[in-house]
Amino acid sequence: AQKVTQAQTEISVVEKEDVTLDCVYETRDTTYYLFWYKQPPSGELVFLIRRNSFDEQNEISGRYSWNFQKSTSSFNFTITASQVVDSAVYFCALSGTSGSARQLTFGSGTQLTVLP
Amino acid sequence: DSGVTQTPKHLITATGQRVTLRCSPRSGDLSVYWYQQSLDQGLQFLIQYYNGEERAKGNILERFSAQQFPDLHSELNLSSLELGDSALYFCASSVVAGVVSGANVLTFGAGSRLTVL
Repeated sequence: AQKVTQAQTEISVVEKEDVTLDCVYETRDTTYYLFWYKQPPSGELVFLIRRNSFDEQNEISGRYSWNFQKSTSSFNFTITASQVVDSAVYFCALSGTSGSARQLTFGSGTQLTVLP
Repeated sequence: DSGVTQTPKHLITATGQRVTLRCSPRSGDLSVYWYQQSLDQGLQFLIQYYNGEERAKGNILERFSAQQFPDLHSELNLSSLELGDSALYFCASSVVAGVVSGANVLTFGAGSRLTVL
């Protein structure tokens, strides 16, 4: 069975600090997809990024960047110069390509609080 | 606005009762997914429909059922409700390029918060 571990339950930073959210995954599939979703206080789940297992290039989108390392089964998310609006719960998720693994498996989430 | 519409936003009911949650997928999306988010279980996949047919089942209780109608909207029926069913229920939809693909990006609705007293 596939599994996603987000060991950091809560992180609190002061505005403008950089913060990294950790994600470690387990899967038996050789082809799989990794995702990050954001859940702001309003409650909806907002898609941030999808990466496939063959693409280990890091990605940067504005203040957001993602570091995918297959060797350590990690897909970490960094927010640079954090802002109060970044306060949310962030979920890492995984889907494979075989059987029940095709469905998204979510980690337990990391509550990020950015203080002014 | 994600384009996925869920009603009702909030629902309070009593144990033993039955409720129906409704979801309209994003325009053009054929696949609908239901997820449950609770404090103790986190985000759990319940069930997926594609163009009216059930495609995958997750941790869905026998007291729960779902369907997708010809107009692609979906309903999740929860019966014989228990206190532990209190949760946020999400519907998501996707444009499914291949029904066996795990690559689909799911667009989530705002959720229906169910409170069972």
